[in-house]
Formats: sequence, C-alpha cells, structure tokens
Amino acid sequence: GNSVTQMEGPVTLSEEAFLTINCTYTATGYPSLFWYVQYPGEGLQLLLKATKADDKGSNKGFEATYRKETTSFHLEKGSVQVSDSAVYFCALIGTNAGKSTFGDGTTLTVKP
Amino acid sequence: GAVVSQHPSWVICKSGTSVKIECRSLDFQATTMFWYRQFPKQSLMLMATSNEGSKATYEQGVEKDKFLINHASLTLSTLTVTSAHPEDSSFYICSARDASGDTDTQYFGPGTRLTVL
Repeated sequence: GNSVTQMEGPVTLSEEAFLTINCTYTATGYPSLFWYVQYPGEGLQLLLKATKADDKGSNKGFEATYRKETTSFHLEKGSVQVSDSAVYFCALIGTNAGKSTFGDGTTLTVKP
Repeated sequence: GAVVSQHPSWVICKSGTSVKIECRSLDFQATTMFWYRQFPKQSLMLMATSNEGSKATYEQGVEKDKFLINHASLTLSTLTVTSAHPEDSSFYICSARDASGDTDTQYFGPGTRLTVL
C-alpha cells in the first residue's frame, strides 16, 4: 500500500534560519503530493501541492518539488518566522478513491 | 481556496449521550468526504469515507454502529458518536474531496474537540 515517511521532529530553529523537512513516499502510479500545516487546536490547512513529476508547489515562502526519481517531496523555506511554528504533514493521494495517506507530522518551533 | 466548516468546534457531553458533528463544504460540491480522528501529538487516523447518497465505508477497527455517518447532500456530511464514552474523547476532523478540474485535493475542516465526561 501507499506510505509516507517524514523527518522526525521536533525541529527547533532560530528566526530567519533555513528550513528543510524531508518527506519520502511509496506509492504505485503517479500520486499527487501535498504539504499541510496544523496550528494548535486547529484543523489542517493546505500549504502547497504538486500533481506530477518535477512540479514545484509554493506558497507563503514555502516550496517543495515533486521528485519521482527519489520519491521525495521535501519542504523548504529560506527564512522562517516565529509564526511558522506549527505541525507540518506530508501527504499523498493515490488512485484509491481519493484517500489520503499522511506522514506522522513534524513539529516545528521557531524561536525569536 | 476552498472552505470546509465544522460544527460545533467543541462539545462536552455526559457519558451515554450521542453527539452529532456537521461537516460542510461551503464553496464547492463534495461527493466524497472523510472523517478522521486525531490523538494528541499524533497524525490523523482515517475513520471512514462518506459518499453522497450511499453508505459510508469504514476503516478496519472502526465500529460503524458507534460512529454513524450520513452524507445527505453534496455539501453536508454528519458524524454521530452514539452512546459516547470517555475513550471517545478526541479531536475529530473532516475533509471534503474536490475532484473537479484537473487536480484531486482534500480540504479540511477546523476540527471538533469532543470531551466525554
């Protein structure tokens, strides 16, 4: 079946540091890939997505590139802010009726 | 972007009572909605897939008689936790599938915090 493996957290960075959260996946066919962000006590917000190989999703300074050769979708941001502190989930939607497969989530804390 | 709402955002109830949670897609039609449960500091656990006009599909280990799902319209799915007990206390999140156009994306509601006393 499908699976998503995320970099284990928690991750603690200083403001303006560079962020990378690794995500690799296993899936048949060509899944769509997503990053979601969850702030404390809230649901998940779609951060960015990519639907085919070499696509780059971007939003609010975050980027991730769909790498089929390495089955990866790493999340990056050049300069993090305190307000980026949250839990980040990598996910994929395969061909199984739109069900999502999630990683375990990575908690990011940004200190001023 | 697409918006999904949930109501209520939190509920406290006594053991043995039933609680209904609503999930609505506000600006798109969703033939498929999903219900998840999330424990503290953990990822989302898919409970069931809700299909408009048909019976829900439950994941292994989820009691269908305890977690009743109804998807009566293209914009509304409800989850009823029947005879709730303290172990049912959790954060319940729904999502709605937008498969229109050339992408397939799930949009999530803000979640409902259920506390059973």
